[in-house]
Amino acid sequence: DAMVIQNPRYQVTQFGKPVTLSCSQTLNHNVMYWYQQKSSQAPKLLFHYYDKDFNNEADTPDNFQSRRPNTSFCFLDIRSPGLGDAAMYLCATSRARGQGDGYTFGSGTRLTVV
Amino acid sequence: AQSVAQPEDQVNVAEGNPLTVKCTYSVSGNPYLFWYVQYPNRGLQFLLKYITGDNLVKGSYGFEAEFNKSQTSFHLKKPSALVSDSALYFCAVREMNRDDKIIFGKGTRLHILP
Repeated sequence: DAMVIQNPRYQVTQFGKPVTLSCSQTLNHNVMYWYQQKSSQAPKLLFHYYDKDFNNEADTPDNFQSRRPNTSFCFLDIRSPGLGDAAMYLCATSRARGQGDGYTFGSGTRLTVV
Repeated sequence: AQSVAQPEDQVNVAEGNPLTVKCTYSVSGNPYLFWYVQYPNRGLQFLLKYITGDNLVKGSYGFEAEFNKSQTSFHLKKPSALVSDSALYFCAVREMNRDDKIIFGKGTRLHILP
């Protein structure tokens, strides 16, 4: 089945140690999104790629970076994780922007910072 | 600017009873509306969407939602609740014919009591 896959499901990292979360999709969707979700709150959009075009949200900290080497893969890099970065990180895709398609989400990566 | 409101943090319903999870929205133009469900430690799962046409939309797992333009609402409903429906539910909106991202509500936790 076509889907969005996030690895790993659970990630523990040390305070200040760089960490990378990965997302892959078999849907051939043009748009990929990274969300941060804390404590059963609404997901907060960090950034998205429309093809290779990177779009950063205004309030996304510089500590968060992203890479999309090809259509299928997108990575979230946290350069120096702090305790406040512990959260569920969700990857989502959509065919295009501004249309009636919803997003397809991966199962998420729960990040713990120790 | 787009926004979506879920006025209830939590809804408790006895198993077998009908359930309603409320959602109101605000957009400048016409909306695309979505409901997603999230189970513990999982990503968001698409339930249903309103694009155009019939105001009553049927989705997965017996859920349905009614689009009411005059009240700018899109309440989620199910005639007979199951314990397995207990989860976190998110309403979301995107304005038609714009490149804007989907905006999520803060979520409503649904508890179905056996």
